[in-house]
Amino acid sequence: DGGITQSPKYLFRKEGQNVTLSCEQNLNHDAMYWYRQDPGQGLRLIYYSQIVNDFQKGDIAEGYSVSREKKESFPLTVTSAQKNPTAFYLCASSIVITAFTSYGYTFGSGTRLTVV
Amino acid sequence: AQSVSQHNHHVILSEAASLELGCNYSYGGTVNLFWYVQYPGQHLQLLLKYFSGDPLVKGIKGFEAEFIKSKFSFNLRKPSVQWSDTAEYFCAVNHNNNDMRFGAGTRLTVKP
Repeated sequence: DGGITQSPKYLFRKEGQNVTLSCEQNLNHDAMYWYRQDPGQGLRLIYYSQIVNDFQKGDIAEGYSVSREKKESFPLTVTSAQKNPTAFYLCASSIVITAFTSYGYTFGSGTRLTVV
Repeated sequence: AQSVSQHNHHVILSEAASLELGCNYSYGGTVNLFWYVQYPGQHLQLLLKYFSGDPLVKGIKGFEAEFIKSKFSFNLRKPSVQWSDTAEYFCAVNHNNNDMRFGAGTRLTVKP
C-alpha cells in the first residue's frame, strides 16, 4: 500500500544532541513537508520541498535542517540550536500541480520527540 | 499577519446535536481550503476540500463546509454528531506556493 512512513514513533534525546527524524513516501509525490504540532497551536510549517535537491524554510525553521537527496525521502534533523524541541512532528507529501490548485496532503503517523 | 483562525478551542456536544466549527483566513487572492480530522491515536485525514465552483462542499461521514468569500470563512458543519466524531479538527488554507497553513485546531468531544 502507498503511504508515508515516519520513524521512529517515539524518540528521546538528551539536551545538546542532534537527532534525525525519518520520513519516506512511496506515493511518487513531488512535494514533502515537515510540520510541528503543539497543543493549542495546531500545525506549524518547518520546511518543505517541492523537488529533489531543493527546499524552503517554513515559519519555524530555526534550529532545524533538512535534505532532499531522493524523491522518496525527506529527513528532518533537530539540532541542539532548537530551544524547545519536545513536540510531535508530522511529515506530509502532495502532488505538485503546475496550475494553481492542490489535492491536499497525505500525512504520516508522526514522531513524538522528547528531550530529557 | 496572514493566518488561519479557528475560534473554538474545545467544543462539547451531546450525540445528535448539530455542529458548526468556525474557520477564518486572512489570505488574499485565490485559495484552496481544507478541513482535516485527527481521531485519537490516528494520523491526520482529509475530511473535505474546496477548490472552486459550488461553495457548499460535502465530505466524508456527513460533514459539509461552506466557503463564504466575502467573509473569508470556511465553516464546518454536521447536522447530527455521533460519539465517533470525537476528534480534533483542523482548518487549512493553501495559497500561492503550494504550502499549507493550518489553524490551531478545535477539539470536539461528543458525549454519548
